[in-house]
Amino acid sequence: DTAVSQTPKYLVTQMGNDKSIKCEQNLGHDTMYWYKQDSKKFLKIMFSYNNKELIINETVPNRFSPKSPDKAHLNLHINSLELGDSAVYFCASSQESVASGSTTDTQYFGPGTRLTVL
Amino acid sequence: GQNIDQPTEMTATEGAIVQINCTYQTSGFNGLFWYQQHAGEAPTFLSYNVLDGLEEKGRFSSFLSRSKGYSYLLLKELQMKDSASYLCAVQDSNYQLIWGAGTKLIIKP
Repeated sequence: DTAVSQTPKYLVTQMGNDKSIKCEQNLGHDTMYWYKQDSKKFLKIMFSYNNKELIINETVPNRFSPKSPDKAHLNLHINSLELGDSAVYFCASSQESVASGSTTDTQYFGPGTRLTVL
Repeated sequence: GQNIDQPTEMTATEGAIVQINCTYQTSGFNGLFWYQQHAGEAPTFLSYNVLDGLEEKGRFSSFLSRSKGYSYLLLKELQMKDSASYLCAVQDSNYQLIWGAGTKLIIKP
């Protein structure tokens, strides 16, 4: 039944390690996203991706890279983890490949992955 | 720059009505979303406005004035389960979602 799922839910790791967070959606949506929510609860878009276009927020370090094996999956790889990467990471998806300014642009979020870098 | 402003925190009483305001300054406008986020959980969609006026959905209503760059979320008959953060987000001219920092709503018995 789960629409957007992420694994793992919690991830604790050491500085300098490389880790991945997986995301899958079973809604048949065309576009997927990764967000970072920091301790101040501010949602920051990192990437949006459909089968045609990857849009990268230019403020995201290149240590972060999205990888999409197919339309239903968008995984997030993080290299050389830093203390400041500690946050909750949310995956989301929306219906349209081209935003239309309608409710089809509504984003549905996964449960989040709480990443703690020690 | 692009900016979404919401109050950081509000407190209301169970059974009462509360209005959460959102003002925005964005490069273009293609719609405004309200999301609810309970502590430790994912944001969930509440409402979408693209035309001026009031959209009502049960106990929740959302209003938009594009000329004023203003929206509000109205919650009626407040219940304890309505304690959450409420996020305002605007789609700009590139259909990118610009998010506010959210309003933490505390409901007291």
